[in-house]
Amino acid sequence: NAGVTQTPKFQVLKTGQSMTLQCAQDMNHEYMSWYRQDPGMGLRLIHYSVGAGITDQGEVPNGYNVSRSTTEDFPLRLLSAAPSQTSVYFCASRSDSYNSPLHFGNGTRLTVT
Amino acid sequence: SQELEQSPQSLIVQEGKNLTINCTSSKTLYGLYWYKQKYGEGLIFLMMLQKGGEEKSHEKITAKLDEKKQQSSLHITASQPSHAGIYLCGADVDSNYQLIWGAGTKLIIKP
Repeated sequence: NAGVTQTPKFQVLKTGQSMTLQCAQDMNHEYMSWYRQDPGMGLRLIHYSVGAGITDQGEVPNGYNVSRSTTEDFPLRLLSAAPSQTSVYFCASRSDSYNSPLHFGNGTRLTVT
Repeated sequence: SQELEQSPQSLIVQEGKNLTINCTSSKTLYGLYWYKQKYGEGLIFLMMLQKGGEEKSHEKITAKLDEKKQQSSLHITASQPSHAGIYLCGADVDSNYQLIWGAGTKLIIKP
């Protein structure tokens, strides 16, 4: 069982560069989300999706884009990387709107110089 | 202020000792989740609690939900080095897919 798969595991970008963080799940979950985790800030929701073709903003969406063309994939795009986007990024999915756990990927550690 | 307060922020415990981490919500809880994270790794789901008074155990970790207090406690008995890491609680306070999160408790086990 693959669960939630994130790539890459590590990435270094220069300010102004763009990139896409990949996320795929094989559990047929409707809900997928992206979080960033920073020391002292906990987990903060960037964007989420409740099904293919449906996306919405979370708590900290600025500087990020998402799309959901299939149930399985939910890529996160950094449009023009900034040092403030240095963080650990997690993709997560769940099967129901409540009373079901979030399943997390292993994370992507991003450094922007 | 945090909607989900976790305490303590950090904990250093002698190996073999018991410990408790608390998670208190300012909103009505529909579900409470405990996760563990080791440095540089993802969040591992430990347990889900749904009903007031519910208690679940996995190996030496027990979690309880107190509906009246809107609080959950995570108790580790006879701690081991493998228990070290960051413990996070997450909660459903609505039925809209979104969880709220505690800030985490960093647990260090001293040999």
